[in-house]
Amino acid sequence: GAVVSQHPSWVICKSGTSVKIECRSLDFQATTMFWYRQFPKQSLMLMATSNEGSKATYEQGVEKDKFLINHASLTLSTLTVTSAHPEDSSFYICSAPKTGGYQNTGELFFGEGSRLTVL
Amino acid sequence: AQSVAQPEDQVNVAEGNPLTVKCTYSVSGNPYLFWYVQYPNRGLQFLLKYITGDNLVKGSYGFEAEFNKSQTSFHLKKPSALVSDSALYFCAVRLPSNTGKLIFGQGTTLQVKP
Repeated sequence: GAVVSQHPSWVICKSGTSVKIECRSLDFQATTMFWYRQFPKQSLMLMATSNEGSKATYEQGVEKDKFLINHASLTLSTLTVTSAHPEDSSFYICSAPKTGGYQNTGELFFGEGSRLTVL
Repeated sequence: AQSVAQPEDQVNVAEGNPLTVKCTYSVSGNPYLFWYVQYPNRGLQFLLKYITGDNLVKGSYGFEAEFNKSQTSFHLKKPSALVSDSALYFCAVRLPSNTGKLIFGQGTTLQVKP
């Protein structure tokens, strides 16, 4: 079964509104989670690294005020797309390393993704 | 710069035939290499990984991959393709530093025809 749960799977919003996407680790604690963005027929672009209890680390070119990341607990990270515009429409995927394995292997478990459409 | 390349946008094979999805990498130091599969509108599923040891790695759903250090390659293979193997495949490499980032290739669409 899934070890990382992402919600919602699909969301449609009006331009100018904000949308929150949740990423939960199931049955394990994740001090670190990663948020990716995927454009149609393209690879995954790492947006930011979410760190429990501290600020997220954003990749170059990603607007931190646009994409707010909060990692308030060891099992939950949220990505909020603020003042969304049509160009923010994309597939957003979170991932987390399973405790105990990551430092040695780098294996990540991925959520099912969230399809955001901004009208 | 560290990178991962998947030279083929799409690979077409007939069901029952062997398949290969190519991946080459450029990373300083000893890489950790991964293959993931993605079905439409879904997240990524882990297939297999190479960390150290035997160059031939066996993974989920009958897939395997061979690490070739001299050619800096990590091609994904399967002896007999199934129609259900049709999906988007990503090769990824973990940076030697302890940042935890995976760098993904651009993806290869595998189409298996009956």
